[in-house]
Amino acid sequence: NAGVTQTPKFRVLKTGQSMTLLCAQDMNHEYMYWYRQDPGMGLRLIHYSVGEGTTAKGEVPDGYNVSRLKKQNFLLGLESAAPSQTSVYFCASSIRTGPLRLDTEAFFGQGTRLTVV
Amino acid sequence: GENVEQHPSTLSVQEGDSAVIKCTYSDSASNYFPWYKQELGKRPQLIIDIRSNVGEKKDQRIAVTLNKTAKHFSLHITETQPEDSAVYFCAASRGLTGGGNKLTFGTGTQLKVEL
Repeated sequence: NAGVTQTPKFRVLKTGQSMTLLCAQDMNHEYMYWYRQDPGMGLRLIHYSVGEGTTAKGEVPDGYNVSRLKKQNFLLGLESAAPSQTSVYFCASSIRTGPLRLDTEAFFGQGTRLTVV
Repeated sequence: GENVEQHPSTLSVQEGDSAVIKCTYSDSASNYFPWYKQELGKRPQLIIDIRSNVGEKKDQRIAVTLNKTAKHFSLHITETQPEDSAVYFCAASRGLTGGGNKLTFGTGTQLKVEL
């Protein structure tokens, strides 16, 4: 049971290049999220998904797109990278449990450190 | 939307002392309040969480208190140890239509436990 795995761990892009970050979870979680972490700003939600084939915008969605074609995978795309997208990106997943369908812990991947030059 | 403020941004304590980190939130509909610990270069990991129907929760040396009226919650670590040194994040969530947590995080507290 690997939990949440992100690929790649590090990447350097030139301004204007595109790339896709892959997140995979093997816990059969329904909900998946992409966050970015910048110094002094905590973690901010970029996009999220409440199920296969569905995605929605978070706090800071501009410049990013996502897809969730399979329940276990959540992809984050940067179509035209900008220096402002230099950050550490974290994927997370979670599930609701019990008869009351309560939200529970979000499990995070190990992060992707992206630098745009 | 939700706004979570966290204080202090840095906290230095002597080993064995207690540490307290405080957060306030703005959305009265928030009902789930987790705390995450992040060691340098690592992923955030849940250390304790509390729901809005509970005022206090304890797990060994860690406790969290919630005051819904004042919209603030706090993390208490007793008998601090060097391995407690890390960045701690509070978060608040009201849940998403259709499921899932839309966690809003505080800006983090760098805790340093000195020998």
